[in-house]
Amino acid sequence: VQLQQSGAELVKPGASVKLSCKASDYTFTEYIIHWVKQRSGQGLEWIGWFYPGSGSRKYNEKFKDKATLTADKSSSTVYMELSRLTSEDSAVYFCTRHEGGLVGFAYWGQGTLVTVSA
Amino acid sequence: DVLMTQTPLSLPVSLGDQASISCRSSQSIVHSNGNTYLEWFLQKPGQSPKLLIYKVSDRFSGVPDRFSGSGSGTDFTLKISRVEAEDLGVYYCFQGSHVPWTFGGGTKLEIK
Repeated sequence: VQLQQSGAELVKPGASVKLSCKASDYTFTEYIIHWVKQRSGQGLEWIGWFYPGSGSRKYNEKFKDKATLTADKSSSTVYMELSRLTSEDSAVYFCTRHEGGLVGFAYWGQGTLVTVSA
Repeated sequence: DVLMTQTPLSLPVSLGDQASISCRSSQSIVHSNGNTYLEWFLQKPGQSPKLLIYKVSDRFSGVPDRFSGSGSGTDFTLKISRVEAEDLGVYYCFQGSHVPWTFGGGTKLEIK
């Protein structure tokens, strides 16, 4: 199982950015992908999930106006778009696959650093 | 939201020592289906978190048996029986029982 995330982004305040998480070595439509935020030197925050099998998604209320999750089945890629960026959005963003059942986040991407700066 | 509180913030240990990390939730994290979705992760600098324990006490594949999880309801503990150098890093507890899913603030395991 591999989750390959897109490279670091430097974006201006007020802009949007779209991060990608490309899955390989498993059936893409069978597992839910979650996204997690980690600000520098701080803890982890759960953003939400996307299920490629059905296209359904769920957000942490805190991020419902900030993040939009989508996917492209043809390339086995899940995307997270972050809008109206501020310095509070500067962080590393991880995608992670939920195993379903009782086991949780067993596989993680390497993370994408987003820096919001003028 | 369920607040997950970890103690201590920092845990200095000598190699070979036992280490114990506590995680308390602000409310019961027993899911309506009867399961408790409590997990423990280890994150090393510059890396993504690694799953150690799921469902309170089950070790994930490949995790050494010196790691053990216990607890119920709102009180949970991760124990490392004999700390090795590769165990150093930040440990996080996590609850996936109630939305929004939440992580603890982290405990840094470091050399004394």
